[in-house]
Amino acid sequence: SQKIEQNSEALNIQEGKTATLTCNYTNYSPAYLQWYRQDPGRGPVFLLLIRENEKEKRKERLKVTFDTTLKQSLFHITASQPADSATYLCALGAADKLIFGTGTRLQVFP
Amino acid sequence: EPEVTQTPSHQVTQMGQEVILRCVPISNHLYFYWYRQILGQKVEFLVSFYNNEISEKSEIFDDQFSVERPDGSNFTLKIRSTKLEDSAMYFCASSVDFTNGELFFGEGSRLTVL
Repeated sequence: SQKIEQNSEALNIQEGKTATLTCNYTNYSPAYLQWYRQDPGRGPVFLLLIRENEKEKRKERLKVTFDTTLKQSLFHITASQPADSATYLCALGAADKLIFGTGTRLQVFP
Repeated sequence: EPEVTQTPSHQVTQMGQEVILRCVPISNHLYFYWYRQILGQKVEFLVSFYNNEISEKSEIFDDQFSVERPDGSNFTLKIRSTKLEDSAMYFCASSVDFTNGELFFGEGSRLTVL
């Protein structure tokens, strides 16, 4: 069956450190992968998109990698801040829809 | 900045009642979507809509659900006969182009079925 798995446990890190979140998928061949941020009670907000022919994408303090052989994406937030605390969702593009993973909750402590 | 707007923000209804959730997508967007999120669970795809017809739907989107774009601006989700398990946050989203991907989400409509 098709699965998109993210760390179900919350990730707690200290301010200033790099947070690394993982997204693994099975039985998909996505043309692209996206990462979103979701705050409690709010809609997801787009962060980054990476295509299957791209290895890495950066935007300010964010970096995404995409390994189609390992079927994995890593999402990095460098110099993390308490304001980065949120749930981060990975999502795969499949036909005319975007399928979301379960999300990883990130908590950045001062 | 353009945004997707949804109404109502919260609706409480009795089991078996019909509910209509409304969305105004961003004006130059061509693709429209409904997702739902049961409390504490993941964001689940319901349906995508393009060129005035459903382009894809999930197994959740059964005969109790329907979508409509009644005019040039609104996009609605109707649940004909609500069940307790329909209680969730419903998110509308829109995008310019599916292959370029970025979805813009509304703030959601919380549906509580009693």
